[in-house]
Amino acid sequence: DAGVIQSPRHEVTEMGQEVTLRCKPISGHDYLFWYRQTMMRGLELLIYFNNNVPIDDSGMPEDRFSAKMPNASFSTLKIQPSEPRDSAVYFCASSLVSGVGSPDTQYFGPGTRLTVL
Amino acid sequence: GNSVTQMEGPVTLSEEAFLTINCTYTATGYPSLFWYVQYPGEGLQLLLKATKADDKGSNKGFEATYRKETTSFHLEKGSVQVSDSAVYFCALYNNNDMRFGAGTRLTVKP
Repeated sequence: DAGVIQSPRHEVTEMGQEVTLRCKPISGHDYLFWYRQTMMRGLELLIYFNNNVPIDDSGMPEDRFSAKMPNASFSTLKIQPSEPRDSAVYFCASSLVSGVGSPDTQYFGPGTRLTVL
Repeated sequence: GNSVTQMEGPVTLSEEAFLTINCTYTATGYPSLFWYVQYPGEGLQLLLKATKADDKGSNKGFEATYRKETTSFHLEKGSVQVSDSAVYFCALYNNNDMRFGAGTRLTVKP
């Protein structure tokens, strides 16, 4: 399996522009997670989906952020408009459901490094 | 609510030293507990996990035991190697909530 695929790997944009990050989870996985990592705030869970349905989006920082999962093999995280404080590495991860009905081991993608100038 | 507190770093050890990274959690019920490792420039990888009290997770010489009485899941390794240098994250999943600790950076010197 190719693992979790994220694109682009690097994105540099100017303040005010729309940014779309993409993720292809591992085939057959039930859960998909979006995280943001910065030096100041560490790793933050933004939102996660179970069977394409958003379960918890309480980590989404504000209305400028939105995430969709139109099907089991694709998800997007959009920032509109982008701001310099959004600069971070954004990770996507996917997992199967465990025997106790919760997410099992998460497999992380390589991340997208976003720089907003 | 759910939360994870782990030992602040950075931690610097010599090769073959003993490693302990402390992790404690707050949660109601019975969370699943995880340790993830992040090598430079990469995403996180699962190191080990435990899903119920007294379970011991182990992998690559690392171990952690799920202690409900002390709400802890400390990571240990008897003899670290230079290749263990990375950032280690303690995490829990409980009631539709996923939480990660702040991460502990480990540097192992030859």
